[in-house]
Amino acid sequence: DTAVSQTPKYLVTQMGNDKSIKCEQNLGHDTMYWYKQDSKKFLKIMFSYNNKELIINETVPNRFSPKSPDKAHLNLHINSLELGDSAVYFCASSQTPSGGRTDTQYFGPGTRLTVL
Amino acid sequence: SQQGEEDPQALSIQEGENATMNCSYKTSINNLQWYRQNSGRGLVHLILIRSNEREKHSGRLRVTLDTSKKSSSLLITASRAADTASYFCATGRTDSWGKLQFGAGTQVVVTP
Repeated sequence: DTAVSQTPKYLVTQMGNDKSIKCEQNLGHDTMYWYKQDSKKFLKIMFSYNNKELIINETVPNRFSPKSPDKAHLNLHINSLELGDSAVYFCASSQTPSGGRTDTQYFGPGTRLTVL
Repeated sequence: SQQGEEDPQALSIQEGENATMNCSYKTSINNLQWYRQNSGRGLVHLILIRSNEREKHSGRLRVTLDTSKKSSSLLITASRAADTASYFCATGRTDSWGKLQFGAGTQVVVTP
């Protein structure tokens, strides 16, 4: 009965590789997000999708490509991985922001990506 | 850039004591939220306070919001060892479509 789940939990890979992280939510939410948390614990939004449409794209390198096959899933594909991509990536979901406002977000457990 | 900044960065207290942490932000907001993150885990929502509210309670948590000073505080009363975690404030704006701006967090350690 996990609300927001991510796979894998850990990902260790070499520079230059391509990898994907998957996220699924069973809360019936219409909006999903990807966040990056760096080694100093700063958490920064990368993308958000509402009903499979991209809403927020926070000047993330285009090596990062989110894909939302349906409103319960939001995957993150990363091409040509770099050392600086090492971080913890969190998926989150919420009800559709009403009037453009923010609402409570529900986070997944995170995927710790280490690029060697 | 970070919207919220928490103070202190770290806090160490004994079980039973109260823990207070503060959050300051820079722009006008629609609401401010507090989240908890246990080590190696995802963030858990604690409480949301809207810009027209001044104080909110949830169990042992008390949150205040002063929009004139652009600051908020989170008080945890009668702390327990299980409260050991990082606490983050996050601000949302009216036109932000769900975008939350997080602070750097306050790391709280509660010792038995």
